[in-house]
Amino acid sequence: EPEVTQTPSHQVTQMGQEVILRCVPISNHLYFYWYRQILGQKVEFLVSFYNNEISEKSEIFDDQFSVERPDGSNFTLKIRSTKLEDSAMYFCASNPDRTDTQYFGPGTRLTVL
Amino acid sequence: AQSVTQLDSQVPVFEEAPVELRCNYSSSVSVYLFWYVQYPNQGLQLLLKYLSGSTLVKSINGFEAEFNKSQTSFHLRKPSVHISDTAEYFCAVSIIQGAQKLVFGQGTRLTINP
Repeated sequence: EPEVTQTPSHQVTQMGQEVILRCVPISNHLYFYWYRQILGQKVEFLVSFYNNEISEKSEIFDDQFSVERPDGSNFTLKIRSTKLEDSAMYFCASNPDRTDTQYFGPGTRLTVL
Repeated sequence: AQSVTQLDSQVPVFEEAPVELRCNYSSSVSVYLFWYVQYPNQGLQLLLKYLSGSTLVKSINGFEAEFNKSQTSFHLRKPSVHISDTAEYFCAVSIIQGAQKLVFGQGTRLTINP
């Protein structure tokens, strides 16, 4: 069964460094999402992406964040200058149609020191 | 804006006992409703969803949830749990019109004791 994959599974970085989290959505899916979950808190929506542009973003998704689909398979989340409060589990999701079930990847745990 | 409340952060039950995980939502527009499950060290997996039609929806592993519009609830139930049901369960909503972001509740950790 096709699945969403994410790399790396765990990323440790120093405050102020740039990180890129990578996702490979399911191949025939057209809508892509990033969510995050700070330890002990809710899963929060960050951004949705369709047709090579952002379709919606939350207030968390400020200028430090960007997303890109650099080729036909990858979907990336970049944080330009990480802060301690960016430490969280980041989940990628995709669906073939915006009304369909979102399929989630296993997540990348980002630790900012 | 939408919000989801899961009243119980942790629910311990004995194996083969029934369980109910509660979920209430708030929205000024119509929503779709979802339950996702997260097993240890894994991602979120869809357990079941309500889009329209029958208000009682069922999963393949014995869970069911009932949409109650008047009480704005979507509680998850299972008549007899197994050790393998140990996981965190998340209730979520998305609006029917427009963007499809999921709004999640805080999650309920279900622990099954032998």
